[in-house]
Amino acid sequence: DIQMTQSPASLSASLGETVTIECRASEDIYSNLAWYQQKPGNSPQLLIYDANSLADGVPSRFSGSGSGTQYSLKINSLQSEDVASYFCQQYNNYLDTFGAGTKLELK
Amino acid sequence: QVQLKESGPGLVQPSETLSLTCTVSGFSLTSYSVSWVRQPSGKGPEWMGRMWYDGDTAYNSALKSRLSISRDTSKNQVFLKMNSLQTDDTGTYYCTREGRAYYGSWFAYWGQGTLVTVSS
Repeated sequence: DIQMTQSPASLSASLGETVTIECRASEDIYSNLAWYQQKPGNSPQLLIYDANSLADGVPSRFSGSGSGTQYSLKINSLQSEDVASYFCQQYNNYLDTFGAGTKLELK
Repeated sequence: QVQLKESGPGLVQPSETLSLTCTVSGFSLTSYSVSWVRQPSGKGPEWMGRMWYDGDTAYNSALKSRLSISRDTSKNQVFLKMNSLQTDDTGTYYCTREGRAYYGSWFAYWGQGTLVTVSS
C-alpha cells in the first residue's frame, strides 16, 4: 500500500500569515492527490483535487502544488475560519490512503 | 442535490458484526462509486473499501478479511458489514462519493458520519 507521510502534525500561525502543509508519498502518485479540511464535529470537506485544482466554493487563498512523491497545501493570508485539521489523500491506485493530518491553530 | 446518509447501531459488542447502511440521493450508484471511510477520534481518516459503479468492490488490505461491501441499486443503498469488531474499531464511519463518474478519485461528497462504539 502507498504510505502518505504528512507534516507537520500540528502548526500554530498568526492571522494573515502564510502556512504550508506537506505530504510525501512512498511512491509516485502522478498528482492523484486531494486535500481536505475538517472542523471539529464536521465531515471532511474537499479543498483541492488532482494536486492543484481548487474545489468549487473554496477560497482562492488555498492552493496546492507538487508532483511525483512530494505535495503541498498552501494557505495565504490565514483567516480565523481556517483553524481546522487538514488531511491529504492519494487515489492513484484505487487503494486510497490518507495522511495522518495537520492540526492548524492560531498563535 | 447529492446527499449521503449513514445509519446503523451506535454500540456494538466486541467480537460482534457491524452493519451500516449508506442511503444516497441526487446521483446514480451505477455511475458513481461509493467508499466507506472511518476515523478514530482525533486521528486521520482510513479508507476502508469501495463499491464501484459497476458493482465490483475493492478493500483496504488491512481490513479485507473482515469486511464486505454490497449494494441495492433499486433502493439507492450501499451496505457495509465488518465482523470480529474490537475496541480499536471505534470511530466515526462515513460514506463518500467520488468526484468523477466511473473512475476512482477524490471524495467530493461525504455523509454526516455515524459514530460506532465497540464496547461491552
